[in-house]
Amino acid sequence: TQLLEQSPQFLSIQEGENLTVYCNSSSVFSSLQWYRQEPGEGPVLLVTVVTGGEVKKLKRLTFQFGDARKDSSLHITAAQPGDTGLYLCAVHTQGGSEKLVFGKGTKLTVNP
Amino acid sequence: NAGVTQTPKFRILKIGQSMTLQCTQDMNHNYMYWYRQDPGMGLKLIYYSVGAGITDKGEVPNGYNVSRSTTEDFPLRLELAAPSQTSVYFCASSYRRGEQYFGPGTRLTVT
Repeated sequence: TQLLEQSPQFLSIQEGENLTVYCNSSSVFSSLQWYRQEPGEGPVLLVTVVTGGEVKKLKRLTFQFGDARKDSSLHITAAQPGDTGLYLCAVHTQGGSEKLVFGKGTKLTVNP
Repeated sequence: NAGVTQTPKFRILKIGQSMTLQCTQDMNHNYMYWYRQDPGMGLKLIYYSVGAGITDKGEVPNGYNVSRSTTEDFPLRLELAAPSQTSVYFCASSYRRGEQYFGPGTRLTVT
């Protein structure tokens, strides 16, 4: 059973469109991270959300942590080709562990 | 700072061969990790270390070994390569329960 379910798995849109991707779980987490991975590179942290209901903005990207801290969403406004990549959510496993568990990711392609 | 560096970038192994994937970080992070990434499967933790001399298994440790003799280096050893180990391998490091910094990856093919 996958701890984190990400949807959709694939998304292909035109430049200028808006989109939302989701990261869901039945477990409660103290925090959740979003990473972006560009082709041929390692993931890079975009944001960490820690408070239920929290909304964080990073330029055209808006991240929200669910009130119950079980899910999160990433909304991109006016997508650009540079947003193309694999978007991964990740959480620390229970008990103060240093280990991160990743979802399978959403592969986003923004066509010019 | 170079961050996290990995060598080699690409490697082709024959079944049964051995190799070591190198990982070095220059951020003085205590925590280091090895992941493998297969298409459509996200990242799976192989091994991790919370400091020099301390290592522990992750989700998929079978067929791999690690050592951590210094803070900077965390090599991953494949003893008897199998086709199932064809994957992209990422090394990462972190200060504590925070952002993990990833290397550029090693693409390994076992034939």
